[in-house]
Amino acid sequence: EAEVAQSPRYKITEKSQAVAFWCDPISGHATLYWYRQILGQGPELLVQFQDESVVDDSQLPKDRFSAERLKGVDSTLKIQPAELGDSAMYLCASTEGSNTEAFFGQGTRLTVV
Amino acid sequence: KQEVTQIPAALSVPEGENLVLNCSFTDSAIYNLQWFRQDPGKGLTSLLLIQSSQREQTSGRLNASLDKSSGRSTLYIAASQPGDSATYLCAVRMFSVKLSFGAGTTVTVRA
Repeated sequence: EAEVAQSPRYKITEKSQAVAFWCDPISGHATLYWYRQILGQGPELLVQFQDESVVDDSQLPKDRFSAERLKGVDSTLKIQPAELGDSAMYLCASTEGSNTEAFFGQGTRLTVV
Repeated sequence: KQEVTQIPAALSVPEGENLVLNCSFTDSAIYNLQWFRQDPGKGLTSLLLIQSSQREQTSGRLNASLDKSSGRSTLYIAASQPGDSATYLCAVRMFSVKLSFGAGTTVTVRA
């Protein structure tokens, strides 16, 4: 069964270091999302791609976060420098179209120390 | 801005009881609504997708209803089991394709 792949599953990094997360969506899914979920809260959108183009990055802290999806397939989310407040679950999701289900990966649990 | 609310935040029921989970949203101009399940430390698993033109959607013991005009959806889980213990999240999709989430309802089913 097709699924959204994310790596790594867990990441511990020191404050001020750089960290990167990778996501491979379900084949053929044009829309890719990166969400951040703080413990006990619902996911919040960081960035949304349609193919290789950014559709919505209004909530992405652009001074330290960057995201790319160069060939419109897999995507990388980077944080530099990491701060203590960035500790959270980072979730990637994809969907084929606006009227179809969104599918999520297993997430990357980031701990900044 | 779309606001999604899920009440209650937590729910504990004995095994066999039916579960009723609520989701409300402020902007009724939605494309569809999706219910997810999340186990501790894991990603989200899709349960049901209900289009804005539909009133309800069913899958096994799960049934989701949608009243777009009043900004409400309800997820019913029949004959709950301990394995149903998880956090349940609803998400509404606007025409921008963005998914907006509630904070979830954490369910505990006692054996």
